Amino acid sequence: DAGVTQSPTHLIKTRGQQVTLRCSPISGHKSVSWYQQVLGQGPQFIFQYYEKEERGRGNFPDRFSARQFPNYSSELNVNALLLGDSALYLCASSIGQGYQPQHFGDGTRLSIL
Amino acid sequence: AQSVAQPEDQVNVAEGNPLTVKCTYSVSGNPYLFWYVQYPNRGLQFLLKYITGDNLVKGSYGFEAEFNKSQTSFHLKKPSALVSDSALYFCAVRPDRGSTLGRLYFGRGTQLTVWP
Repeated sequence: DAGVTQSPTHLIKTRGQQVTLRCSPISGHKSVSWYQQVLGQGPQFIFQYYEKEERGRGNFPDRFSARQFPNYSSELNVNALLLGDSALYLCASSIGQGYQPQHFGDGTRLSIL
Repeated sequence: AQSVAQPEDQVNVAEGNPLTVKCTYSVSGNPYLFWYVQYPNRGLQFLLKYITGDNLVKGSYGFEAEFNKSQTSFHLKKPSALVSDSALYFCAVRPDRGSTLGRLYFGRGTQLTVWP
């Protein structure tokens, strides 16, 4: 079975631009979460969606938004990009019960110039 | 505030020797606990989890972890390290047992290097 897939793998943007990152969960997984991993740190929670509803939001500004589609895929949007948004953005999917592990994609490496 | 601490940025061990990667946490209630491994330019790969029951849990690739409730620790162990175990290891906790929210709190990571 395919794992979590993310696209694109790499992206270069300039300050002030907008970006959309995409994620397809493992088949049968209804929960998708997004994390930001800055170099040298652990992943930081951005959003969780379950059954197409937002179930949690981390401490990120309103420039960050996301949505989940009927097929459970998800998009993360970031507006007005800042240099500090440069990071690896990870998508994770799970069945939905909290004791089940989240399975991560390989991420999108976003570089802001 | 919820927090996870991995007190060692780096752990170096010779191949064949036992390894330990430490993790302590400060979260509300009784959390679920996880270990993940990250190889260069890759996402996080699930190793093992503690839900309830036996304090020693076994996971993938010969790894195991010991849960200690009184010390709020969840240390990752392996009896005999391999060079291929060299990677970045993350401890993660999920404090909200009562809801479907699966937010994970991660430590900063520990770089494990196994020397041949």
